[in-house]
Amino acid sequence: DQQVKQNSPSLSVQEGRISILNCDYTNSMFDYFLWYKKYPAEGPTFLISISSIKDKNEDGRFTVFLNKSAKHLSLHIVPSQPGDSAVYFCAASVHRIQGAQKLVFGQGTRLTINP
Amino acid sequence: DVKVTQSSRYLVKRTGEKVFLECVQDMDHENMFWYRQDPGLGLRLIYFSYDVKMKEKGDIPEGYSVSREKKERFSLILESASTNQTSMYLCASSLWGQGKQPQHFGDGTRLSIL
Repeated sequence: DQQVKQNSPSLSVQEGRISILNCDYTNSMFDYFLWYKKYPAEGPTFLISISSIKDKNEDGRFTVFLNKSAKHLSLHIVPSQPGDSAVYFCAASVHRIQGAQKLVFGQGTRLTINP
Repeated sequence: DVKVTQSSRYLVKRTGEKVFLECVQDMDHENMFWYRQDPGLGLRLIYFSYDVKMKEKGDIPEGYSVSREKKERFSLILESASTNQTSMYLCASSLWGQGKQPQHFGDGTRLSIL
């Protein structure tokens, strides 16, 4: 049962335009969401996160939106640059009182920025 | 800068062998994780540890075990390797805490079981 879903395996966007990557989740207990970016032959790197008490978080060209009622989050990249070409994973977790925070990942979306 | 180092980038083993994947982090993180990444499935958590000698099962622990004898080192063990364990294996670490600490990943070990 895939609790976090990225339904678009790939996305192609023109350089300078907006890239929108989408993610849906089913577990209403998730309270923290993250986006990771992965280049080939490298490990994923943390990009941006959002807590369930917010509906928007912005960091430079990257903005994450959270719609809790729809159980949906999205990552907006504006403007898109060639270096943004990578695989993007969304992830979600449930708050734990102690111990490590388990992340549940989506399948990933391959973003290609065309010059 | 956090450094998570996985001992091998590529590894080829035979069915039935006992396989060890090693991971070391240099930032004194309490938490360490092992994932596998497969096409169309994303990253799936195998095991994790929040302290020395402490471990918890993730979502797909069958066929695997782990060892954490020192804080900086977390080993993944395939007790008897099978072809369906051919995959990319990723190690990660993070700070403990109720706060939202992102996980930092190594570059992965691509394991092939023949």
